[in-house]
Amino acid sequence: GQNIDQPTEMTATEGAIVQINCTYQTSGFNGLFWYQQHAGEAPTFLSYNVLDGLEEKGRFSSFLSRSKGYSYLLLKELQMKDSASYLCAATDSNYQLIWGAGTKLIIKP
Amino acid sequence: DADVTQTPRNRITKTGKRIMLECSQTKGHDRMYWYRQDPGLGLRLIYYSFDVKDINKGEISDGYSVSRQAQAKFSLSLESAIPNQTALYFCATSDLVQRWTGVSNQPQHFGDGTRLSIL
Repeated sequence: GQNIDQPTEMTATEGAIVQINCTYQTSGFNGLFWYQQHAGEAPTFLSYNVLDGLEEKGRFSSFLSRSKGYSYLLLKELQMKDSASYLCAATDSNYQLIWGAGTKLIIKP
Repeated sequence: DADVTQTPRNRITKTGKRIMLECSQTKGHDRMYWYRQDPGLGLRLIYYSFDVKDINKGEISDGYSVSRQAQAKFSLSLESAIPNQTALYFCATSDLVQRWTGVSNQPQHFGDGTRLSIL
């Protein structure tokens, strides 16, 4: 079957660094997306990885290991506005997205 | 103006009623999706459409139907609403770009959601 696993909730301190992990099992693989979703709002696209390695975008970076079925999202210099859920979604062989349940990130001052 | 517009934004209705949620987009994307989101369960795909003549069931299509009236419009209907269909519903669009290097996977773009409550 197809499955995405990520932690349900994480807590971090303002100004610190946090890493949110995601493991996936899909029928075929055509890349992995990370989205941010504030409570009651629509998910918004953060990053996309299809090759192994690290993609950096400002304070956010995303890493992929295809052989391990593993990705992480790294958030640096945390701000209060980063409090949100972070959704991991893997693309299968038909380019369909398989979604994780999301990781709720709580930032404390 | 929003690229992906959902109407209504909120709806409260009674069990047994027929409800239609509408989605329109100005992004020119061929692919459109309907999801529902419940607390702790993430996004679950209800139906998707890759073009006007193509409609496909997602993982939780029972109790729902869709209509793709045009490239820009994709509506979701609950024929006879029941309380466990209370959820936050999202429409999304995406594109699959053919480049000389191969297929380029593009992110999905979401509407603001419809909060549906069935009493």
